[in-house]
Amino acid sequence: EAGVAQSPRYKIIEKRQSVAFWCNPISGHATLYWYQQILGQGPKLLIQFQNNGVVDDSQLPKDRFSAERLKGVDSTLKIQPAKLEDSAVYLCASSPRWTALSGNTIYFGEGSWLTVV
Amino acid sequence: TQLLEQSPQFLSIQEGENLTVYCNSSSVFSSLQWYRQEPGEGPVLLVTVVTGGEVKKLKRLTFQFGDARKDSSLHITAAQPGDTGLYLCAGEASGTYKYIFGTGTRLKVLA
Repeated sequence: EAGVAQSPRYKIIEKRQSVAFWCNPISGHATLYWYQQILGQGPKLLIQFQNNGVVDDSQLPKDRFSAERLKGVDSTLKIQPAKLEDSAVYLCASSPRWTALSGNTIYFGEGSWLTVV
Repeated sequence: TQLLEQSPQFLSIQEGENLTVYCNSSSVFSSLQWYRQEPGEGPVLLVTVVTGGEVKKLKRLTFQFGDARKDSSLHITAAQPGDTGLYLCAGEASGTYKYIFGTGTRLKVLA
């Protein structure tokens, strides 16, 4: 079974530029998550989709971040314009069911590393 | 707002020592998961605890879920250098439908 695919793996941009990250979840998974992880800290949930609807985006900085999940499958996370503090790893994850109940395993991609200079 | 607070934030110990990592919240969780993450990789699931008061053992690791399902702990016996990594608790607070992570505990075990 193919895992969660993310691209690009690494990206370096200048502040005020834009960047987009792509995530392809495991086939058939209803729930897709985007997390931002600062080095050495726990991942922070940016947005959680259930199929193509948004479950939660309360911690997504909407003035500069946007995310969509086309047709309930692939997802794109965009940052425009980027700030220095956006330097982090952006983790995408997916799970079969729509809540993190027992038995609903969450699968993670390898992450997209962003450095803003 | 971080609903899951972990302590300590950093821990550096000698090989063979024991340690405990705590995960606390003011919210009730239907279940909690513990992960270990190494640099450049995604989190790897260690265990899921579901029932209040539940204790699970995974070799030298012992996980406990609080009776009220608001806190959890991870105890490592006779730590080894291979245990080095970032330990994360995670779960879904009841009624929120969103899956969140704790603040993280960075463990370094020195040979």
